[in-house]
Amino acid sequence: NAGVTQTPKFRILKIGQSMTLQCTQDMNHNYMYWYRQDPGMGLKLIYYSVGAGITDKGEVPNGYNVSRSTTEDFPLRLELAAPSQTSVYFCASRRPNTEAFFGQGTRLTVV
Amino acid sequence: AQKVTQAQTEISVVEKEDVTLDCVYETRDTTYYLFWYKQPPSGELVFLIRRNSFDEQNEISGRYSWNFQKSTSSFNFTITASQVVDSAVYFCALSEAGNYGGSQGNLIFGKGTKLSVKP
Repeated sequence: NAGVTQTPKFRILKIGQSMTLQCTQDMNHNYMYWYRQDPGMGLKLIYYSVGAGITDKGEVPNGYNVSRSTTEDFPLRLELAAPSQTSVYFCASRRPNTEAFFGQGTRLTVV
Repeated sequence: AQKVTQAQTEISVVEKEDVTLDCVYETRDTTYYLFWYKQPPSGELVFLIRRNSFDEQNEISGRYSWNFQKSTSSFNFTITASQVVDSAVYFCALSEAGNYGGSQGNLIFGKGTKLSVKP
C-alpha cells in the first residue's frame, strides 16, 4: 500500500516550458487535491476533485490545469512556466470527512 | 466562506515549556471537520488529529491536547513539556460536510505556525 505517490521529487524548468506533475493514490479515495507551498508560507489550494471527471478550482488556479480521468490519478499540468510558479507542490487524497494523506512533495524551480 | 486563521506566525520556547497554538475558523456549515497537521523540517505533512463539529470533547494524546470550542470557533492545540523534536510548522485545516457555493470536498489550511523549541 504505497499511499499517495508524486513524481518527480525535484524539477528545474526554464521559463515558458511546460510539464506535468504526476499524482497517484492506491487507497480508492474519492477526493484529491493539489496544493502549493511557497517558502515560509502555508498551503494554498490550486485544484481539487471530488471524483473521476469532476474538478474544481481552488484559491490559486491560474497557470495550472488538471484532469481526473480515473479515481487513482490526478495530474497537474503547468503551461508556460513562470518564476512565480517556483514552489513545493503537494498532492493529497482522502475519503469524505476524513483526514487527507499527502504525497512527499515536488520541489519545482523555474529559472 | 471557509476560512482558517492561525494568527501566530512563529513561536519560540525553551524545552519543557508548555505552548499553545491557536486556530480560529469560519464556516457556514453546521457539520464540519477540523484537523491539525505537523510539518517537520524534513518537509512531509503528518496528520495529528481530526475533530468533527458535533464532538466538543477535549482530547489528550500524550503530551498533546486539543481544545475545541464552537462558541468561539476555535480549535487550539497545546503541547505540554515541549521537546526539541516538536520543532515544526503546525497547520490547522477545515473541511465542510455540506456543499455551500460548491465547496463540497474543499479542504483549506491556515498559514501555519512555526514552532521552535530550543534546548
